[in-house]
Amino acid sequence: DVKVTQSSRYLVKRTGEKVFLECVQDMDHENMFWYRQDPGLGLRLIYFSYDVKMKEKGDIPEGYSVSREKKERFSLILESASTNQTSMYLCASSPGGSVAKNIQYFGAGTRLSVL
Amino acid sequence: AQSVTQLDSHVSVSEGTPVLLRCNYSSSYSPSLFWYVQHPNKGLQLLLKYTSAATLVKGINGFEAEFKKSETSFHLTKPSAHMSDAAEYFCVVGPRDSGAGSYQLTFGKGTKLSVIP
Repeated sequence: DVKVTQSSRYLVKRTGEKVFLECVQDMDHENMFWYRQDPGLGLRLIYFSYDVKMKEKGDIPEGYSVSREKKERFSLILESASTNQTSMYLCASSPGGSVAKNIQYFGAGTRLSVL
Repeated sequence: AQSVTQLDSHVSVSEGTPVLLRCNYSSSYSPSLFWYVQHPNKGLQLLLKYTSAATLVKGINGFEAEFKKSETSFHLTKPSAHMSDAAEYFCVVGPRDSGAGSYQLTFGKGTKLSVIP
């Protein structure tokens, strides 16, 4: 079974703090993704990475950055957390190659509260 | 460009009755279509996917969906609801063929399914 592990289930941070959300997958997948999930808005893509050190902006990258130094690990960084970044964050991974194989496997999510 | 519309934000059914969750999509190319399910406090799990083979797709837990190109729809159905089906369901569209921007999926806003005992 594919396993995508997010390091924290719940996180509480203060405005202005630098926040790191970590994600690790164990299936040697090329692609990794960070989404933000808000009620009534579905999932919105923040960033994705298709290879080590490679990244692409998604739909809502403002206020976020990412790091992928190793194939299995993809980090989401909030440089200076703000209250409007309070949300559920979901990490996903998928194999590379044909998009027809592009089933994404999700972690359980990190619920971040910024006070 | 691609988009997806889930026509109901909330659906409520009685246990043992049929389930219908509606999804319409828009895509400027041949689409891949997926349904994912999210149980409370869990990540998303794939229910089923359509990628150009049979238009009637069977998934896990008795769910199925039919791709109707003429109606640009991909509705999710199940003949008989179970209490464990209570969850949020997401319809997702993506490009079927590889190419620039081909990694991105577009998620619907979700339909919350309640099952009444």
